[in-house]
Amino acid sequence: QSVLTQPPSVSGAPGQRVTISCTGSSSNLGAGFDVHWYQQLPGKAPRLLIYDNIVRPSGVPDRFSGSKSGTSASLAITGLRAEDEADYFCQSYDTSLPAPWVFGGGTKLTVL
Amino acid sequence: EVHLLESGGAPVQRGGSLRLSCGASGFTFSDYAMYWVRQTPDKGLEWVSVISASSSNEDYTDSVKGRFTISRDNFKNTVYLQMDDLRVEDTAIYYCAKSPDAVPGERFEYWGQGTLVTVYS
Repeated sequence: QSVLTQPPSVSGAPGQRVTISCTGSSSNLGAGFDVHWYQQLPGKAPRLLIYDNIVRPSGVPDRFSGSKSGTSASLAITGLRAEDEADYFCQSYDTSLPAPWVFGGGTKLTVL
Repeated sequence: EVHLLESGGAPVQRGGSLRLSCGASGFTFSDYAMYWVRQTPDKGLEWVSVISASSSNEDYTDSVKGRFTISRDNFKNTVYLQMDDLRVEDTAIYYCAKSPDAVPGERFEYWGQGTLVTVYS
């Protein structure tokens, strides 16, 4: 059971917009800790996609955007492309836990 | 360009030991904290250990405390994870990751490609 909750899967057709939710609690997202998103392409290592809720690292297309409100966060992908098919993980920080770096269980994005 | 390359993963019998290494390039290694994170299909991503830039601070997830030791060599630009008394549940892909700061930050800025540790009984 992951500390952050994500839907196991989402799907969309090329060109469409999809969103992936990440739900936390009052001890992580609700406590003001930022959410970070990672993309993991098949057989590859995770890659930082969005940090501090809304910031895209250099090289990440602006089709990817993040938001956060209260104990929830979302990753939005617009103009869906075949190469976006991957697993997406949210991550935050939780000082109430002995292992403070916490992850969501991951969401498999399928491009139809 | 930041590059992290793990090595040392292998099949090992329960109770055995392994030392993972992670060589870094493309940044001033001695300025940044480093992490180890593992991934399994069942449990997903799990933070394992962290070491500050100067090695003054380190920490571990409870399940590996007393069995795993993180260290670094800032002259060799390498971080290590010594894994002793391995258990079947330690089976995972182990990634090293870079912090955005000298002290442990909230996120994992760059990741290596991972190394597979398989513990068999």
